[in-house]
Amino acid sequence: TQLLEQSPQFLSIQEGENLTVYCNSSSVFSSLQWYRQEPGEGPVLLVTVVTGGEVKKLKRLTFQFGDARKDSSLHITAAQPGDTGLYLCAGDHQGAQKLVFGQGTRLTINP
Amino acid sequence: SQTIHQWPATLVQPVGSPLSLECTVEGTSNPNLYWYRQAAGRGLQLLFYSVGIGQISSEVPQNLSASRPQDRQFILSSKKLLLSDSGFYLCARGDRSGNTIYFGEGSWLTVV
Repeated sequence: TQLLEQSPQFLSIQEGENLTVYCNSSSVFSSLQWYRQEPGEGPVLLVTVVTGGEVKKLKRLTFQFGDARKDSSLHITAAQPGDTGLYLCAGDHQGAQKLVFGQGTRLTINP
Repeated sequence: SQTIHQWPATLVQPVGSPLSLECTVEGTSNPNLYWYRQAAGRGLQLLFYSVGIGQISSEVPQNLSASRPQDRQFILSSKKLLLSDSGFYLCARGDRSGNTIYFGEGSWLTVV
C-alpha cells in the first residue's frame, strides 16, 4: 500500500506566523498535488509538482517536491485567517490513473 | 469547463434502505471518474474509479457499488445501507494521466 503521511495532523497558530506542513512517503511518486478544503465543500487544487526538487510559489504559499520525489512540504508565510482549512496532499504513480491521499492537516489561523 | 454536478447534496437514510448518488461532469469526453469517501474532515478514501463506460474498478470491499452508464455519468449505489456508510461522498474527474483531479461539491450521507 502506498501511504502518504502528513504532519502535523492539527496546527493552530496566530495570524502573522509562519508554518510548514509535511507530506512523506516511502514510495516514489510521479507527481504530487496539494489541495485545500473548506468545511462542507470539495477539495480545491492548489498546485501540482512533478520534478524532483521543484519549488512552486503561490502568493504566500511555497510548495516543494523532494529530490527523491517521496516527500513534499507546504510553507505559509505570514498566515492569515483565510488560510484556515484542511490541507491534503496526494500523489500518483505513473500509469496508475488514481491518486493516493494523505490524512490531511487541519490548520487554524487565529486572528 | 471542469464542472462537476453531484446530487443530492444532503441525504438522511435509515439503515437497510437503498442509496443512489449521481454525478455528471462537463468538459472533455472520456474522463477518468472517481468516487471518494471522507470521514469527519479527514483524508479521502478512494472507493471506485472508472476509465470508461461500463469500466469500474473497486478499491475497497464493501456494500457499495458504482456504475457508469454514460461517458459523463457516474453513479454510486447501495442495496442496503449500514451505519458505517455515513460520510461525505465526493465525485471527481481527472485527466487521462490521473495525476490531477477536480472534485464536485460533495454529498453528505447520514445513515440513521
